[in-house]
This record gives sequence, C-alpha cells and structure tokens, in this order.
Amino acid sequence: QSVLTQPPSVSAAPGQKVTISCSGSSSNIGNNYVSWYQQLPGTAPKLLIYDNNKRPSGIPDRFSGSKSGTSATLGITGLQTGDEADYYCGTWDSSLSAAVFGGGTQLTVL
Amino acid sequence: QVQLQESGPGLVKPSQTLSLTCTVSGGSISSGGYYWSWIRQHPGKGLEWIGYIYYSGSTYYNPSLKSRVTISVDTSKNQFSLKLSSVTAADTAVYYCARGHRKGNYNWFDPWGQGTLVTVSS
Repeated sequence: QSVLTQPPSVSAAPGQKVTISCSGSSSNIGNNYVSWYQQLPGTAPKLLIYDNNKRPSGIPDRFSGSKSGTSATLGITGLQTGDEADYYCGTWDSSLSAAVFGGGTQLTVL
Repeated sequence: QVQLQESGPGLVKPSQTLSLTCTVSGGSISSGGYYWSWIRQHPGKGLEWIGYIYYSGSTYYNPSLKSRVTISVDTSKNQFSLKLSSVTAADTAVYYCARGHRKGNYNWFDPWGQGTLVTVSS
C-alpha cells in the first residue's frame, strides 16, 4: 500500500479536462511540496510538476498542479491521445524519513 | 542537457549482491547541488525510492532498505553506483537512476535514466 493515495484510473475524451488526486497526511503532503511524474508506456517517468505547481521547461501549460492541506491535484486540459500514461505524485514523508510516491493513476483518453 | 544511463547485470541469483552503475553525461556530478538517486519499480507496480548520494559522498537511504543498500560515487568517471545485498525475488524490478533536486527534505527527480530490469532468479 502506498503512503499517498491516487485513484487507479481516470478517463476522459480528447479535448476535455481531467484531474488526478493525490491524498496524504500531515507527515507528507501536509508539510511538504508535491511533484508529479508522467510515465508513458514502456518508458521512464518524466517530471511534470514540482513545488506543487511549477512546470519544468518544455512542459506545456496544459498541465497544472495544486495543493490544499493534505491533498494535491494534477490537472490536464485539452486532452490528447498522447497523454495516455501513468501519473505519479511524490513528496517527502517525515515519519518514514523517505521520499514517497503514490500508487499511480492510469489515464485513458477515450 | 544532462542524461543518465544505467548499466549492470540483468540477472542476479538469490542471496547475491545486485550491482548497478549510472553514468551521467552532459553535466558534472562534481558541480554539486544535486542528489544522485536510485529509484525502483516492481513489475506493474509503483515507484520506490532507494536512496541518494551527494558529490561529496554523503548518502541517505530509505530506512526500509538501509541495511542492504550502499550507494557510492566516482566523480572521476562521472558515475554513481548502487549495491543491494542479499537479494530475493522481491527485489526484481526496473531500477532507475535520477538526478534529485532538494528543498529542505523534499525532493523531486529530473531527469531519469531509461531504467534497467533486474531479475532475481536462480
């Protein structure tokens, strides 16, 4: 069981918007920044969001992040078939003294 | 831009030591500021952080693996390495190296290597 809880799957139509949630506790999300990663099939994870809501260079503004209390959310607008991937949230857990990740959410663009 | 590449045996026998190396190109480990990390992903599962090393040699390991993990750095070769001892089938996973960024205790990882599958089997 992952320390951070994500829905196993989400789906939406091309062009639509989808949100992926990441729920934690005061020992992790509640007191730390959150990052998000995209893992396309058969490839390594790629950083999408860091510091809750910052995008690295090259990441389109269709991707956004937010955090409130002990939960974080990744938003993707203007969905494309190329966005089909697994998405992971990550942060630090002060109780475990370790970097932790969510279990991942599989996005299907119908 | 910085690129990372894992290398090492794809098959390790139970009870032996898994050894992997990550070669960094496009940037120098010695320049500092980053935490060179190992992360693994069990087949069909999520991500598990193993630990990281700073260019000075300072290390930090996931407490759940600490007793079996050693991460080292060779700045002359611009490489860092992972050793995981006493492996079992539960250590079968894709192992990724990544450049870690740190703010307080919080880390994010960018970029990642392509990953290498290590299977533990006799």
